[in-house]
Amino acid sequence: DIQMTQSPSSLSASVGDRVTITCRASQGISNVLAWYQHKPGKAPKLLIYGASRLENGVPSRFSGSGSGTDYTLTISSLQSEDFATYYCQQCFSSPWTFGQGTKVEI
Amino acid sequence: VQLLESGGGLVQPGGSLRLSCAGSGLTFSTYAMNWVRQAPGKGLEWVSDISPGGDSTSYADSVKDRFTISRDNSKSTLYLQMNSLGGEDTAIYYCAKALGVGPSPLGFDSWGQGTLVTVSS
Repeated sequence: DIQMTQSPSSLSASVGDRVTITCRASQGISNVLAWYQHKPGKAPKLLIYGASRLENGVPSRFSGSGSGTDYTLTISSLQSEDFATYYCQQCFSSPWTFGQGTKVEI
Repeated sequence: VQLLESGGGLVQPGGSLRLSCAGSGLTFSTYAMNWVRQAPGKGLEWVSDISPGGDSTSYADSVKDRFTISRDNSKSTLYLQMNSLGGEDTAIYYCAKALGVGPSPLGFDSWGQGTLVTVSS
């Protein structure tokens, strides 16, 4: 199975900050990587797929990059509604494993 | 697209439960479907998936031989039969639609709100 490791596990930030979350796969995953936002009591929301493709309706302050084993989610200017937990997921090889999550707190 | 899970509840260790996920606003039979769970205080864990026609399934090792995924495309409904439940299966269970129509998903682009399964005596 491919292991996904996110860092950091949590971070504190302020509105307007630039935030970067990284995700490392245990082997190359050819950019088949998705990012999700998850708020308590809500369904997870797809933000990015294919490592860098923005899902319809997702604000442009979210962006994804990376290749091989290392990937990054960037929020260019953090908004109050962005405080949540973020997960990466590889869709290169089943089982479709998630990272452990990064909690973005005020 | 709307996905609505049901069937969660309190079950004793060793017991069984069947979850359902009703889809609307999509051509259900076109897409692979998944179950994902989140245990209390933990992250997301992929559980199982099923091909659009229902002829191919896969499972996480943690549920293999205990859980069975199935679908009824005539009813636009996904199922998860869970047997031999243990405390480690306590979680919110989400159904999720695969993005794309290829053999592998690009991600999961639509999710239900989840149904809570609690395994306790």
